[in-house]
Amino acid sequence: QQPVQSPQAVILREGEDAVINCSSSKALYSVHWYRQKHGEAPVFLMILLKGGEQKGHDKISASFNEKKQQSSLYLTASQLSYSGTYFCGTEPPIITQGGSEKLVFGKGTKLTVNP
Amino acid sequence: GAVVSQHPSWVICKSGTSVKIECRSLDFQATTMFWYRQFPKQSLMLMATSNEGSKATYEQGVEKDKFLINHASLTLSTLTVTSAHPEDSSFYICSASRLAERAYEQYFGPGTRLTVT
Repeated sequence: QQPVQSPQAVILREGEDAVINCSSSKALYSVHWYRQKHGEAPVFLMILLKGGEQKGHDKISASFNEKKQQSSLYLTASQLSYSGTYFCGTEPPIITQGGSEKLVFGKGTKLTVNP
Repeated sequence: GAVVSQHPSWVICKSGTSVKIECRSLDFQATTMFWYRQFPKQSLMLMATSNEGSKATYEQGVEKDKFLINHASLTLSTLTVTSAHPEDSSFYICSASRLAERAYEQYFGPGTRLTVT
């Protein structure tokens, strides 16, 4: 089942912060975050596994609350290069071997960073 | 690391013809490759899962006789759109899966834009 992303779109000025949420009605093994620019393929940002994991690099970080089946992506001090559509991909668990490897993607959140 | 190439980047073909798209993992061996389709301003819709040496697994609603997938090696998967029609026009993207720590990470190719006239 497709995860729900919110908001659908957000417009920022350079230097502002944003939070993008991803919520699933099903149990999750992992959550993957991608950024896609217009006409290009999605670029892998990070993956979060079960266990209340948090990750980040540069000024982009994410958290995963497995109990709530939710993940959030945090963009701080946004840069022009952060513009694009952000997708979360959720991976359901398989009892015998961890994750199923298949991802179900949300509808995306369009982020626009203006000067 | 984790570079995936896709060829061609774009293709225009006439209705009724077939088109082959190649997906290669350049610097790693992919346990699994995936084929997605994306319509403008929409999400990525999984079409099929491809494993080397075995038949592809298609998602519900995807015609396996129309979208032929061949996974010849751990670094190459091909998607052939047979008897293409205008409604098959779309952005096709492949991804290759690599095991990292405790989970599989998917890395996407640059995509192929197919236009059927």
